[in-house]
Amino acid sequence: GAGVSQSPSNKVTEKGKDVELRCDPISGHTALYWYRQSLGQGLEFLIYFQGNSAPDKSGLPSDRFSAERTGGSVSTLTIQRTQQEDSAVYLCASRVPGTSANEQFFGPGTRLTVL
Amino acid sequence: GIQVEQSPPDLILQEGANSTLRCNFSDSVNNLQWFHQNPWGQLINLFYIPSGTKQNGRLSATTVATERYSLLYISSSQTTDSGVYFCAVGPYNQGGKLIFGQGTELSVKP
Repeated sequence: GAGVSQSPSNKVTEKGKDVELRCDPISGHTALYWYRQSLGQGLEFLIYFQGNSAPDKSGLPSDRFSAERTGGSVSTLTIQRTQQEDSAVYLCASRVPGTSANEQFFGPGTRLTVL
Repeated sequence: GIQVEQSPPDLILQEGANSTLRCNFSDSVNNLQWFHQNPWGQLINLFYIPSGTKQNGRLSATTVATERYSLLYISSSQTTDSGVYFCAVGPYNQGGKLIFGQGTELSVKP
């Protein structure tokens, strides 16, 4: 079946602009995660959604970052007033239903460049 | 928080050679995954292995949870095995979020 999809694949923006990144998880996966990969910080967790529960936002680096998940499926990560340090690859993953220990599958990522 | 250390950071092999990549973690986990990041940045699932041993073709992995380490074995390496290999662990009671190591960059020469 289809894997996790993300759009756009690449995004170039100017400092100070807002951006929205989209993730479509694998059908039937109720848990969804956002991570980012940057040169200085490696791969780091940002935010986690599980069903109708309140999201775990503990990894968001600043209040300029927010995310929502509508209808228990598609998620959007929004970065307001982008800064150059936000340049990174943003990865989305969804998890096999069941326990939180189950396997995660990643999308191809969105490469964000802030000029 | 939990620390994940991978070794070696870089590895250069001749095609056909075998290798072992190691992942140490500092606390108990209920999830451990190995990934291969291809040149386009996609994370490819290799193994979901919170404990025990698994094999898939030329690759195999072993996790000894009680001693907090995992090993990824690559046999008869091929140039297509090149890329970065990541170990990621899921700490208990943290909703399944993964903590990644810094990766091992493998280069297989023809």
